[in-house]
Amino acid sequence: DSGVTQTPKHLITATGQRVTLRCSPRSGDLSVYWYQQSLDQGLQFLIQYYNGEERAKGNILERFSAQQFPDLHSELNLSSLELGDSALYFCASSVALAGDTQYFGPGTRLTVL
Amino acid sequence: GENVEQHPSTLSVQEGDSAVIKCTYSDSASNYFPWYKQELGKRPQLIIDIRSNVGEKKDQRIAVTLNKTAKHFSLHITETQPEDSAVYFCAARYSGAGSYQLTFGKGTKLSVIP
Repeated sequence: DSGVTQTPKHLITATGQRVTLRCSPRSGDLSVYWYQQSLDQGLQFLIQYYNGEERAKGNILERFSAQQFPDLHSELNLSSLELGDSALYFCASSVALAGDTQYFGPGTRLTVL
Repeated sequence: GENVEQHPSTLSVQEGDSAVIKCTYSDSASNYFPWYKQELGKRPQLIIDIRSNVGEKKDQRIAVTLNKTAKHFSLHITETQPEDSAVYFCAARYSGAGSYQLTFGKGTKLSVIP
């Protein structure tokens, strides 16, 4: 157990819908990262937040957004869902902005039908 | 941005043999290189990492080497065991303009045959 929690574990929804994935970092970690893992694309970095502020953006679609709240938990919002958005979504956390060790949560498996 | 290539995509070895996975990166500004192990359906777990000021690091049966000039780094697993079977990901951390994101390779599926 890495200390990073994610909910829900599984999510099944339809195309066009909107979902919210939640992540709670390890106690004391200020940085939160979101990754998408699909079969043919490996682990793709989406976005990083540090202490409530967005710090880095990767291959995140405009239909996706995220935020980090004052209690440091983070939410990833996915809207206008498409079949291709089906994937495992991982959250990771690290102590610092340039945190070396990223600890991954158990992931949320999103299935879009 | 950073680009990480990882080879091979699949690797089968006999139990007790060694396994080597290689990665190359594109951006010379990258300075941190972790390796993650992911078992089926589970989270990626850090198994070893190396920083750009170090050429080699060992932890029991696992070692990582880094060649900054050639921009490649490798994972070496000796005396492989069936529980080493998993997907291994290398990554490079780009550090520029206040951004510290990890770019991952596409993974190597290691199968250790008993």
